[in-house]
Amino acid sequence: DAGITQSPRHKVTETGTPVTLRCHQTENHRYMYWYRQDPGHGLRLIHYSYGVKDTDKGEVSDGYSVSRSKTEDFLLTLESATSSQTSVYFCAISEATGSNRLNTEAFFGQGTRLTVV
Amino acid sequence: GENVEQHPSTLSVQEGDSAVIKCTYSDSASNYFPWYKQELGKRPQLIIDIRSNVGEKKDQRIAVTLNKTAKHFSLHITETQPEDSAVYFCAAKRGRDDKIIFGKGTRLHILP
Repeated sequence: DAGITQSPRHKVTETGTPVTLRCHQTENHRYMYWYRQDPGHGLRLIHYSYGVKDTDKGEVSDGYSVSRSKTEDFLLTLESATSSQTSVYFCAISEATGSNRLNTEAFFGQGTRLTVV
Repeated sequence: GENVEQHPSTLSVQEGDSAVIKCTYSDSASNYFPWYKQELGKRPQLIIDIRSNVGEKKDQRIAVTLNKTAKHFSLHITETQPEDSAVYFCAAKRGRDDKIIFGKGTRLHILP
């Protein structure tokens, strides 16, 4: 398995509290992504990063912020958690290789199950 | 932005038969199309991918076809086995600095 670790693996938090999820990689991959997975919706992109301090919004970015201060870490923060943010969160990493910078597969972390009560 | 539609949402096939899952994408600039398999309680894992300069790719019982003109791509699994039961996701990525957008997934059931 690719060296990608998410923490925590499980978290229960109260509505209105801030929450930070961490994604750590040891592969030195340029691209990092945060997805949420909900029944009937598949994997929806929250935010992604294409380099240190370079981030952009995904499909469902409202209520979430991210930071990437170094290559190996990508943090997802819920500023004020709501029940609608109860979900399984996956981090993924990928790289572009070769002279043509072709895309390669994305490797996923184990996921974080977040429950907001 | 890119939008990926995936059909069907659920598919049941008899063991030994073939399964086909279809996806369409909206952005003609997308050039990389991976397929992921997710078993219950586990992370998605790549099973096959195809780039826009190729029309078909095979890996044992799995094949993917791409029609750039129609902007659709399909996953074909032949001689299905019980261990093929899982959720399958298609995805599309545009260029090297863009996001990977997933379809909503297909739950595949292999019937004994």
